[in-house]
Amino acid sequence: NAGVMQNPRHLVRRRGQEARLRCSPMKGHSHVYWYRQLPEEGLKFMVYLQKENIIDESGMPKERFSAEFPKEGPSILRIQQVVRGDSAAYFCASSPRRQETQYFGPGTRLLVL
Amino acid sequence: EDKVVQSPLSLVVHEGDTVTLNCSYEVTNFRSLLWYKQEKKAPTFLFMLTSSGIEKKSGRLSSILDKKELSSILNITATQTGDSAIYLCAGGWGSQGNLIFGKGTKLSVKP
Repeated sequence: NAGVMQNPRHLVRRRGQEARLRCSPMKGHSHVYWYRQLPEEGLKFMVYLQKENIIDESGMPKERFSAEFPKEGPSILRIQQVVRGDSAAYFCASSPRRQETQYFGPGTRLLVL
Repeated sequence: EDKVVQSPLSLVVHEGDTVTLNCSYEVTNFRSLLWYKQEKKAPTFLFMLTSSGIEKKSGRLSSILDKKELSSILNITATQTGDSAIYLCAGGWGSQGNLIFGKGTKLSVKP
């Protein structure tokens, strides 16, 4: 029973490049959440998706960031024209239904040079 | 604005000690309080508390919610070095279903 999968685990990008982070939820889970964690900070909510729909993107910067969860395949968090301030750990979580326990993946650590 | 505050931010104890971690919350659509343990990687789920005054227990860990005081505690008895981690508290639910996290308590257990 595989848990939440994320890849890559580590990603290095130069300023101005694009970063694509992938998340496969647990089997049977159709709700996906993305969180960002900065050093010494808690997890900050970014976006909540259900298959093919963005439910809440209130925590995601309006510029350069986008997310999708297609009918087939993983959820993708895309950051265009990365800047140094985007360096962080990005965690994905999934749940079977809304307002139920969320299970986290191992995270993608993004480093922008 | 929704917020969750944890205390202390860090704690150093010796093996065998008992620790209590605190969490207070102000969450508009509050229904549940969740605790996670984070080591080097994924936060792993510990407890979800929905009812006030009912203790949940798992081995040496236990937790309870006080809705009147808008708070929760996580107790760890007979601590072991493997308990060293960051313990995260989260209030559910945000506007549509997200969790609101505190900054965490970093627990270090010395042999």
